Amino acid sequence: GESVGLHLPTLSVQEGDNSIINCAYSNSASDYFIWYKQESGKGPQFIIDIRSNMDKRQGQRVTVLLNKTVKHLSLQIAATQPGDSAVYFCAEPRRGNTPLVFGKGTRLSVIA
Amino acid sequence: ETGVTQSPTHLIKTRGQQVTLRCSSQSGHNTVSWYQQALGQGPQFIFQYYREEENGRGNFPPRFSGLQFPNYSSELNVNALELDDSALYLCASSLAIQETQYFGPGTRLLVL
Repeated sequence: GESVGLHLPTLSVQEGDNSIINCAYSNSASDYFIWYKQESGKGPQFIIDIRSNMDKRQGQRVTVLLNKTVKHLSLQIAATQPGDSAVYFCAEPRRGNTPLVFGKGTRLSVIA
Repeated sequence: ETGVTQSPTHLIKTRGQQVTLRCSSQSGHNTVSWYQQALGQGPQFIFQYYREEENGRGNFPPRFSGLQFPNYSSELNVNALELDDSALYLCASSLAIQETQYFGPGTRLLVL
């Protein structure tokens, strides 16, 4: 069935290094994707989104890349900081009825 | 901070009881969605309200019900609580149905 999933459940990164979190999707008709960050004990926080007419979008220290050919998107965090430690979800709204479909998430741990 | 607030923050109930969770949407947002997040999982869509009407429902039984008020705040009611209902319940609001959803901090429910 249709799904949005993540390749790795955990990722450990040295402080100051770049982080890359990956996400695969199965619905080739998907046209909008969102990355959320969820810190312990908090609700998901919107980070960045991208529409299918784009391959890349940049925010503050974050970049999302979308490869429609292989149905893959990634979130890149530059100069990772301890405050970036959280679970990161990619999410996709369904057509016609727009709940968000989340994967299980990737836990990013930043090593000082 | 997203401007979405939820109450209470934590709640303990026993099996068979009923619970009401509350959500105040961000100013100007007319759409509220509710999600259930089990430990270690991504949020699962329960239902969405748009201008006081239910606008879609996920795979949850009828004992999960909701309301949206004229000021666009919302309630989630769960009857006949089961142990598996223990989870973080998240509310998200958006400017409209197709717009980005912003999450509140959640209510953590424990059913004993």
